[in-house]
Amino acid sequence: AQSVTQLGSHVSVSEGALVLLRCNYSSSVPPYLFWYVQYPNQGLQLLLKYTSAATLVKGINGFEAEFKKSETSFHLTKPSAHMSDAAEYFCAVSDTGTASKLTFGTGTRLQVTL
Amino acid sequence: GAVVSQHPSWVICKSGTSVKIECRSLDFQATTMFWYRQFPKQSLMLMATSNEGSKATYEQGVEKDKFLINHASLTLSTLTVTSAHPEDSSFYICSAPWTSAYEQYFGPGTRLTVT
Repeated sequence: AQSVTQLGSHVSVSEGALVLLRCNYSSSVPPYLFWYVQYPNQGLQLLLKYTSAATLVKGINGFEAEFKKSETSFHLTKPSAHMSDAAEYFCAVSDTGTASKLTFGTGTRLQVTL
Repeated sequence: GAVVSQHPSWVICKSGTSVKIECRSLDFQATTMFWYRQFPKQSLMLMATSNEGSKATYEQGVEKDKFLINHASLTLSTLTVTSAHPEDSSFYICSAPWTSAYEQYFGPGTRLTVT
């Protein structure tokens, strides 16, 4: 069985500061990993994905994540937070390349303060 | 990117009635769609996998007779909550995988409130 763990249900950063959202995965096969963002009362938007190509993945809105097999991690970062980044972020794992069902982490709410 | 729509975006119904939620892939065909449920301030929990032309696959603990899923075409899956009760109030989200892109596209969600 595969799973993801997101450390920190709530993260608060100042505008302009580094954003770091943590995700660790567990999978018996090479995983496909995703980060999604959810704004209130909306569906999920894909930020970025890892599909066994480059380990450093760049996504939309200035976000990026690095796949580290030795640490079983896929942390999400952004160099400088913006107020519009405030949202819920979900890490997810899939065990096949055909976009099978996703297993989500519990989510991290990012708060950005002035 | 691909677009997935849901209808309605929100619905209020009385306890004991049934509600149907539609999920459509607008610009691609989806032989598989997924239905998730999300309680306030919680993560998404997969309810079932909808398969075009065949029976849905339900996750453990999900009542198949209560949450009826029909995937009659390559662009439409429906979720019917039968005999709804207040505890069924939740945010229901569907997704459809676009296999060529190794990713899924999510609908905007449907907020169900049962009174």
